[in-house]
Amino acid sequence: NAGVTQTPKFRVLKTGQSMTLLCAQDMNHEYMYWYRQDPGMGLRLIHYSVGEGTTAKGEVPDGYNVSRLKKQNFLLGLESAAPSQTSVYFCASVPYGTGLYEQYFGPGTRLTVT
Amino acid sequence: AQSVTQLGSHVSVSEGALVLLRCNYSSSVPPYLFWYVQYPNQGLQLLLKYTSAATLVKGINGFEAEFKKSETSFHLTKPSAHMSDAAEYFCAVSPYNTDKLIFGTGTRLQVFP
Repeated sequence: NAGVTQTPKFRVLKTGQSMTLLCAQDMNHEYMYWYRQDPGMGLRLIHYSVGEGTTAKGEVPDGYNVSRLKKQNFLLGLESAAPSQTSVYFCASVPYGTGLYEQYFGPGTRLTVT
Repeated sequence: AQSVTQLGSHVSVSEGALVLLRCNYSSSVPPYLFWYVQYPNQGLQLLLKYTSAATLVKGINGFEAEFKKSETSFHLTKPSAHMSDAAEYFCAVSPYNTDKLIFGTGTRLQVFP
């Protein structure tokens, strides 16, 4: 199993450009999450999904959109990037029904917006 | 709202010394609690978790944590630090009957020879 993978690993955008980050998991997990990590702020939840075709807002959803068309993939989109979105983005997944909420994390995507 | 507080953004210890990383949570109902570790340029990896069973939880790499309801704490300890323990450590809480994690701001552990 590859676990949770994220594409790309690094990206530099200019202000106003758009991009999509891809998260893929091969563990048949139901729940998937997108976080951003900024120095001194820990991880903050952007959006999450509890199943194929469903999404919900997290703590910091503004400026981001998500889609979960396939169970194994969770896409994070930035329609018009801003310097405040410079961050490291992590995806995570959780198997349904464990009741334990242990999250499995991807390696991260480092995004810089200039 | 549920929250997690990690006391000390940086902790430095000598190799072989005790490691103590502090975490306090706010919750009216005992939640699930987790410690994750992040090595440089990597994702987060689960160290250990508390899910209302034993209050003393043992994790990987010799770490353990004790859930103390009276103190609303879940501090992480390791009797003897190793150089390879240098990393950032995050405490997280999953409030009862939710499907989300709330993370603390992290503690960076440095280990000196």
